[in-house]
Amino acid sequence: AQTVTQSQPEMSVQEAETVTLSCTYDTSESDYYLFWYKQPPSRQMILVIRQEAYKQQNATENRFSVNFQKAAKSFSLKISDSQLGDAAMYFCAYRSAGFQGGSEKLVFGKGTKLTVNP
Amino acid sequence: DTGVSQDPRHKITKRGQNVTFRCDPISEHNRLYWYRQTLGQGPEFLTYFQNEAQLEKSRLLSDRFSAERPKGSFSTLEIQRTEQGDSAMYLCASSPDISYEQYFGPGTRLTVT
Repeated sequence: AQTVTQSQPEMSVQEAETVTLSCTYDTSESDYYLFWYKQPPSRQMILVIRQEAYKQQNATENRFSVNFQKAAKSFSLKISDSQLGDAAMYFCAYRSAGFQGGSEKLVFGKGTKLTVNP
Repeated sequence: DTGVSQDPRHKITKRGQNVTFRCDPISEHNRLYWYRQTLGQGPEFLTYFQNEAQLEKSRLLSDRFSAERPKGSFSTLEIQRTEQGDSAMYLCASSPDISYEQYFGPGTRLTVT
C-alpha cells in the first residue's frame, strides 16, 4: 500500500519570503501522480500543483513550484513571495496512474499547517 | 461550472441515529469520490464511483456505511446506527477522467453526540 509522509506539522514564514514544505512517499509503482492541495480554514480543498511521475521536469504554477526526486521518493513544495492568503493546511497526495488496475483514490499525508506572518 | 456541492454542510445527530449526506458533482464528471477527514488528519478514502458503478470501497467503510449513485449523477452516503467515532468531515470529490485532478466539495461536518 502507498503511504505519504509530511514530517512538518507546522511551518511559518514571513510575508514575501520563501518557504518549502516537505513530503515523502512510498510506492512500488512506477507510474503515478503527486499533488499538493491547499485547505484554508473552513474552506474547501483546492489543488495547488500536480506532477506526473514520468515527467522529469518539475511542475510550476506561478509562485508555487515542486522539487520532485523520484529515486528518493520526495516531493517538496516551494512557495515564493509568500502572501497572507497562502495561510492554510497543505496536503501532499499520491494517486496511482491507474494502469494495470491501480486505484484511483488519493492517498494523503497528515498535512502541514502554514502560517504567514505579516 | 458551479463546483461540487454537498448537503447538508453541518449535521448534529445522536448516537444510534441514521444520517444521509448528498453530493452533487460537477456536471459531466463521471467519477465521484467520498473521503472522511478527522481533526488533524488528512482525508481518508472511503469509496468511489464511475458513473453508477461503485468500483472501490475502503475497509474503513464498515457495514454501517453505504453509498449510492443511482443515475450516475448525484451520490448519497448513509451511515446507520451512528457512533461517536463517526464524527468527522465527509468530503466528496469529482473528476471527469482518471488523468484529471479531483475537485472537492465543501464537505459535510458530522457531529455525533
